[in-house]
Amino acid sequence: RKEVEQDPGPFNVPEGATVAFNCTYSNSASQSFFWYRQDCRKEPKLLMSVYSSGNEDGRFTAQLNRASQYISLLIRDSKLSDSATYLCVVNSNSGYALNFGKGTSLLVTP
Amino acid sequence: GAGVSQTPSNKVTEKGKYVELRCDPISGHTALYWYRQSLGQGPEFLIYFQGTGAADDSGLPNDRFFAVRPEGSVSTLKIQRTERGDSAVYLCASSLTGTSGETQYFGPGTRLLVL
Repeated sequence: RKEVEQDPGPFNVPEGATVAFNCTYSNSASQSFFWYRQDCRKEPKLLMSVYSSGNEDGRFTAQLNRASQYISLLIRDSKLSDSATYLCVVNSNSGYALNFGKGTSLLVTP
Repeated sequence: GAGVSQTPSNKVTEKGKYVELRCDPISGHTALYWYRQSLGQGPEFLIYFQGTGAADDSGLPNDRFFAVRPEGSVSTLKIQRTERGDSAVYLCASSLTGTSGETQYFGPGTRLLVL
């Protein structure tokens, strides 16, 4: 079983839609959680860290449920520029190495 | 400021050849990481350097893979006797201290194709 599992996608949504991505992780000792964004043929870039209390950054909201080992990302009012692959990321037992999910592809259409 | 840079951006080689991939981290970052991303997958951890030393090489798939960081800055990932299965994007990342939860900044990657 992979350490980080994500919705397979792809998600095709119209501009302005709200879309949610889910992710589960297997290591209950994990302490750090992130969502990274990766554009086609580009490197992953940090979108946001995920905190236990939940956190919001503009149109993006991340939630963490430690009991269920579940992470979510909500994107409101989708823009064409949101089209990318979203990677759910959890730190490994070592703390410094990152475990990535396969990623979920989002395509926002006009 | 300058981000993480990697060279070459693309490398095509033949099965059995030796390749070197270079990473130049963000200036002042003591922690450096190598990851490998195969098509349709997320990046997978290979090795972590803290300064000049490889603090964790548990992700290296076998002894054909080796990495160095002799002066605590630039790192080179070396692959001997390349195999077709080594074809992937090799990503380098750096962070300020290597503390758990710290943001890792990725370079653009080297796309390796083994024919």
